Amino acid sequence: GDSVTQMEGPVTLSEEACLTINCTYTATGYPSLFWYVQYPGEGLQLLLKATKADDKGSNKGFEATYRKETTSFHLEKGSVQVSDSAVYFCALDTGRRALTFGSGTRLQVQP
Amino acid sequence: NAGVTQTPKFQVLKTGQSMTLQCAQDMNHEYMSWYRQDPGMGLRLIHYSVGAGITDQGEVPNGYNVSRSTTEDFPLRLLSAAPSQTSVYFCASRTNMDSNYGYTFGSGTRLTVV
Repeated sequence: GDSVTQMEGPVTLSEEACLTINCTYTATGYPSLFWYVQYPGEGLQLLLKATKADDKGSNKGFEATYRKETTSFHLEKGSVQVSDSAVYFCALDTGRRALTFGSGTRLQVQP
Repeated sequence: NAGVTQTPKFQVLKTGQSMTLQCAQDMNHEYMSWYRQDPGMGLRLIHYSVGAGITDQGEVPNGYNVSRSTTEDFPLRLLSAAPSQTSVYFCASRTNMDSNYGYTFGSGTRLTVV
């Protein structure tokens, strides 16, 4: 079946450090890939997406590239801020039923 | 405001009680789904629907029922609550026209079963 694997957290960084959160997937067909973010006490918000191989999704300084050859969709940001502290979820949608999520990675950014 | 509305936001149940978590969307989305979020386990799919009158099971359906009599509403019923159902529940929806748009999520229901 479909699955998403994310790096374990928490990830603790100082402000202005570089961020990478790894995400790999297993799916039949050609899924759309997403990163969702959950701020403390809130629901999930769509952060960025990519719908086909080599697409790059970007939003709020975050980027992720759909790599079909390595079945990966790693989240990156060049300079994190305290306000980026949240839980980040990688997810895929094959269009057959619903989203399949990774386990989430908590990011803590210290001033 | 357009979006996904979940009620209640918080609920405490006694073991064995039943209740319904409500989910409504006003975006005319065909696809709707229920997830539970537990620490360290991400979001797990409980049930989903691809349109009115059509529902199917996800990864963790036991102890939950759903129905989809209208496009707008997708309630989740707990038949006989158990402490293992203590969790945060999220409802989500998207259009069936294009999976690329992603799902819109409700703000969640935090359920405690004692």
